Amino acid sequence: AQKVTQAQTEISVVEKEDVTLDCVYETRDTTYYLFWYKQPPSGELVFLIRRNSFDEQNEISGRYSWNFQKSTSSFNFTITASQVVDSAVYFCALSHTGGFKTIFGAGTRLFVKA
Amino acid sequence: SQTIHQWPATLVQPVGSPLSLECTVEGTSNPNLYWYRQAAGRGLQLLFYSVGIGQISSEVPQNLSASRPQDRQFILSSKKLLLSDSGFYLCAWRPSNAYEQYFGPGTRLTVT
Repeated sequence: AQKVTQAQTEISVVEKEDVTLDCVYETRDTTYYLFWYKQPPSGELVFLIRRNSFDEQNEISGRYSWNFQKSTSSFNFTITASQVVDSAVYFCALSHTGGFKTIFGAGTRLFVKA
Repeated sequence: SQTIHQWPATLVQPVGSPLSLECTVEGTSNPNLYWYRQAAGRGLQLLFYSVGIGQISSEVPQNLSASRPQDRQFILSSKKLLLSDSGFYLCAWRPSNAYEQYFGPGTRLTVT
């Protein structure tokens, strides 16, 4: 079975706090890709990052960082020093190599209060 | 660079009326194309995807259909809308040699 679980439905933080969004996936394939997308209030999903199953190196992009651990089937997303503009719904997703479909998690709604 | 367009941005239609939503992609060729629906406060539901002209895969049996008359054009249709068809419709494209998807601005459909 292929599944992506984002157990946190909503998270609320105060500006400048760090926040981690959890993502756990299930797959029987050995090669796959993981993604994070951001959906701001405007509605359009924005692609943030892609990670392939062979690359467990953590990635940092500005205030964003991602931690991929195959041993726990997790691909967590941390925002450091959160800002009001980070308020959005964040989706974790999984796609299999050679496949056409992407499995999305249910999303985590992040509220960052000033 | 590649861009994806969707129209209309918002639509209010009565139950039983037809529907046509259009999506076009610029700056790429032979993309994979997708239609998703998102109910209010919910996740993404894949409706259709297409890997080429005239090739449509349906994920959810319902009163919607999709067509791909040209390489970079994807159309979502219905002959008779239901109240349950209300939602936010997103079109997305994916390069044929990559796996990430790029989304359009969406169409917010309200069926009254």
